[in-house]
Amino acid sequence: KNQVEQSPQSLIILEGKNCTLQCNYTVSPFSNLRWYKQDTGRGPVSLTIMTFSENTKSNGRYTATLDADTKQSSLHITASQLSDSASYICVVSLYNTDKLIFGTGTRLQVFP
Amino acid sequence: EAQVTQNPRYLITVTGKKLTVTCSQNMNHEYMSWYRQDPGLGLRQIYYSMNVEVTDKGDVPEGYKVSRKEKRNFPLILESPSPNQTSLYFCASSRADESSYNSPLHFGNGTRLTVT
Repeated sequence: KNQVEQSPQSLIILEGKNCTLQCNYTVSPFSNLRWYKQDTGRGPVSLTIMTFSENTKSNGRYTATLDADTKQSSLHITASQLSDSASYICVVSLYNTDKLIFGTGTRLQVFP
Repeated sequence: EAQVTQNPRYLITVTGKKLTVTCSQNMNHEYMSWYRQDPGLGLRQIYYSMNVEVTDKGDVPEGYKVSRKEKRNFPLILESPSPNQTSLYFCASSRADESSYNSPLHFGNGTRLTVT
């Protein structure tokens, strides 16, 4: 069964600290893996998209990694800011289809 | 500004009263899709459309209808809403040409629907 699992479900950190969110998937055949940020009351916004051949991609203070062998991805947030408080959703795309498999997200709260 | 616009943002209705949630995008995207988001569950796809007059069922299509008469618009129709359709709904769009499998989805800001 195609699944995307994220951990932890929720996370609280202090402003300025780093954190890492995890995503494990069992999706096959794999096309790409996406990370989205969803602020409360808003639609998700794309952070990164990685294909099979990419093992890291950055977007400002956000760095995503992908290990296609172990089917794991992580999103690392450096020097967190209050505006990083949001849900982060991992999404895996099936190869050569329009099908996206969504994780349930990690809710991050950054406190001053 | 490139955007996906949904209306209304909030909607409270009663069981059985037909409603339509509108979605419009200004990016000339071929692909449009509707999702619902419920606590503890990931986004689940309701319907999607690859282009004008082409629509397909997603994972949870029961109780919903869509139409794609124009490229920019993709309304979601609930003919007879029921309480289990109370949810947060998102419309999204993206490119759908041969090079677009790595194109990101652009989401609207959601419609929170309550059916009593």
